[in-house]
Amino acid sequence: GENVEQHPSTLSVQEGDSAVIKCTYSDSASNYFPWYKQELGKRPQLIIDIRSNVGEKKDQRIAVTLNKTAKHFSLHITETQPEDSAVYFCAASNSQAGTALIFGKGTTLSVSS
Amino acid sequence: DVKVTQSSRYLVKRTGEKVFLECVQDMDHENMFWYRQDPGLGLRLIYFSYDVKMKEKGDIPEGYSVSREKKERFSLILESASTNQTSMYLCASSLFSRAFTYEQYFGPGTRLTVT
Repeated sequence: GENVEQHPSTLSVQEGDSAVIKCTYSDSASNYFPWYKQELGKRPQLIIDIRSNVGEKKDQRIAVTLNKTAKHFSLHITETQPEDSAVYFCAASNSQAGTALIFGKGTTLSVSS
Repeated sequence: DVKVTQSSRYLVKRTGEKVFLECVQDMDHENMFWYRQDPGLGLRLIYFSYDVKMKEKGDIPEGYSVSREKKERFSLILESASTNQTSMYLCASSLFSRAFTYEQYFGPGTRLTVT
């Protein structure tokens, strides 16, 4: 089955810096890669996703890149703000096989002002 | 606005008790999921269901069962609660498609303590 590895487990940056979180997956048939953000005490929410026919996707200060050959994808946050502090989860699934999302273990991002 | 609700935010049960966690969604989603969340272990899938009366095992189904009698409701059952089942339990729902994975919407979570 699919296995998703996520690094780093914790990340501390200064406000205004960039943050990068990386994930690798094992199943070459996976074709959907979302990122969820979970603020303290709240439920996870989707912030961005990418499908296997696209190499990069951007939404304001966040972007996701996908390298299917190397089986890894990354979340990039630019100009970080204190409200970006949260736990971020990557995930992978194979839509056509109807498989559920398999999540990474999460990255705790702390942005200090 | 999608709403996923869970029956309790906090629950304390004794070892050996049968525990029911209820999840209800109001957006007519076909897929429903149960995860447990533990520090450093992320979100681990227990069971999911893509239709009424259908269920699929996730990564950690041992010690759990599920029930989906109605489309909007998905129940997680701990037949005989044990202390290692103390955790945060999250329910989620999404639309279903054989060719497309849709966003999952999560409930607020139930923090279960088994003593």
